[in-house]
This record gives sequence, structure tokens and C-alpha cells, in this order.
Amino acid sequence: GEDVEQSLFLSVREGDSSVINCTYTDSSSTYLYWYKQEPGAGLQLLTYIFSNMDMKQDQRLTVLLNKKDKHLSLRIADTQTGDSAIYFCAEGIYSGYNKLIFGAGTRLAVHP
Amino acid sequence: DVKVTQSSRYLVKRTGEKVFLECVQDMDHENMFWYRQDPGLGLRLIYFSYDVKMKEKGDIPEGYSVSREKKERFSLILESASTNQTSMYLCASSNRDRGSKEQYFGPGTRLTVT
Repeated sequence: GEDVEQSLFLSVREGDSSVINCTYTDSSSTYLYWYKQEPGAGLQLLTYIFSNMDMKQDQRLTVLLNKKDKHLSLRIADTQTGDSAIYFCAEGIYSGYNKLIFGAGTRLAVHP
Repeated sequence: DVKVTQSSRYLVKRTGEKVFLECVQDMDHENMFWYRQDPGLGLRLIYFSYDVKMKEKGDIPEGYSVSREKKERFSLILESASTNQTSMYLCASSNRDRGSKEQYFGPGTRLTVT
């Protein structure tokens, strides 16, 4: 079946790196996504990786994909207080449309 | 700038009431979605529409129905609201193109059923 798991909380000091981990079960996923939800807002696409890639870097963000272990991670370098949010991992499965299966979300708290 | 809007940010309804949640997108997207978001459970798909008057059940359709009479508008209906439908409801839209990667989300409606 389809399932995406991620830890619920992460606390880091400002300036440190944050690493948010995610595991998924469906090997037919086409893309894997990281969405960010700031307080009181909807979800915003942060970055994504195609399932045949193993790494993607975008400024302070690095996405690592281990397809064998079905493990996805998001690293945020030099974490800032503005990065405090809930981060959702999602796998995209095409079944007539791009269906997204979301994890429970990781709440990132950045403290001084 | 792409835009998905939802009719209300906060809504309080009584048990048994009929509730309408409205969503409008201005990107001419074919696909529209309704999710509910609950702490520790993430987002779960309630219904999906891929064209006007077309709909498909998602993972948790029980207690909900939808309506899509115009391409830009997708409504979620709670026929008889119950307390276990207290939740955050998020609408999203996307292009039908298979290569289209992103779903665009509205700000959400926090519904409380008392």
C-alpha cells in the first residue's frame, strides 16, 4: 500500500543545519516532494526530486534520495528563524493524475 | 501570480448543519482537490475532480460530497456536519499534464463543528 512516514518534531539552533527524514513504501512513485506550511497558510512547494535522481541542490536546500531504502531527506543549511514551519514529504504516483501521498509533517522549530 | 482562494478562513457550525466550503482557482487548471489536514495524520484526499462535473472519491470520502459546475470552482459539501469533521480543509489545483509536478494550495478553512 501507499504510506509515507516522517518524524513529527525537530528542534535546531539558528545557523545549524536541519535534516528532515522521510520514508515511503510505493516504489512506483515518479516524483518526491517537500512542501512547506507556514503558520496559518496553505502548503507551498519547496522542492522536488525525480525518482531516478539521487540528489538535488537548490541554494540552501539539499534533497537526498535513496531509492533502494525508499528514504528521502531534506537538509536546510544555515537554518534561520524564518524556516520555522511544518515540512511535508509527499510521493507522487501517477494513476490517471498525479496523486500525492503525504506524510504527517515535521514541525521544525528554530531557536536562537 | 497563481491563486487558489477559499471562501472562509474560519467557520463554526453546529452538528447536523449542511456546510459548503468553496474553492476558486484562477490558473485554468483541470484538476482540483479537497484534502483534510489533521495533526499527526498529514493531508488526506477527500475528493478529486479532473473536469467540470467529473469527480472521483479519494481516500476518505465518507460524509462528504463535491460539486464542480464551473472549471474554476470546486465545492466541498458536508451534508450533515458531525464533530469528527472538525478539521482544517485545504483545496488544491493542478494542471492535467502528466509532467505537471505541482499542486497549488489555498490557505485552508479551519472548520469547527460543535
